[in-house]
Amino acid sequence: KQEVTQIPAALSVPEGENLVLNCSFTDSAIYNLQWFRQDPGKGLTSLLLIQSSQREQTSGRLNASLDKSSGRSTLYIAASQPGDSATYLCAVRHGYALNFGKGTSLLVTP
Amino acid sequence: NAGVTQTPKFQVLKTGQSMTLQCAQDMNHNSMYWYRQDPGMGLRLIYYSASEGTTDKGEVPNGYNVSRLNKREFSLRLESAAPSQTSVYFCASHINLNTEAFFGQGTRLTVV
Repeated sequence: KQEVTQIPAALSVPEGENLVLNCSFTDSAIYNLQWFRQDPGKGLTSLLLIQSSQREQTSGRLNASLDKSSGRSTLYIAASQPGDSATYLCAVRHGYALNFGKGTSLLVTP
Repeated sequence: NAGVTQTPKFQVLKTGQSMTLQCAQDMNHNSMYWYRQDPGMGLRLIYYSASEGTTDKGEVPNGYNVSRLNKREFSLRLESAAPSQTSVYFCASHINLNTEAFFGQGTRLTVV
């Protein structure tokens, strides 16, 4: 069974800092990896999708990398803002199922 | 473009009651999914429909049934609700295994 782990579970940083969220998975036979953002009481918003053949994807201040052989992905957020405060979820597609980590809760303080 | 729409947004049931959660997508996606999200457990797959006319069990299917009514709609039914089914339920869809998944806003279900 694919296990997905996200570290740290929670993170608090001052506004303007660059930060890295980590995701690891146990089975490298994946189709792709997707990062989501979830605000309290809301649904999941897709941030980035990385195919298994890709090394990284960028969208604005976000950059996600994938090292499939070592079972790791990182989400880099540049120049963090209070509006970035949310829970960030990593999900690995292994067959039809998306296997989720438990998330990193991010708080960016003004 | 509405994306993935779930109804209802909130529901309180008594133990033993039944209900159906509705999900519809307007993106012409082939595959649709039902997940539940519980504190400390993350999101877990209940059932999915790879394409119209097919359904398959996920990780936690017990106590649920699904119907892929047509390409747009995928419903989740609780025949006899139990307190253990108190959760937030999310519907998702995508075109195929190589495309990003889109999620609905969720249904918060409480079984008392």
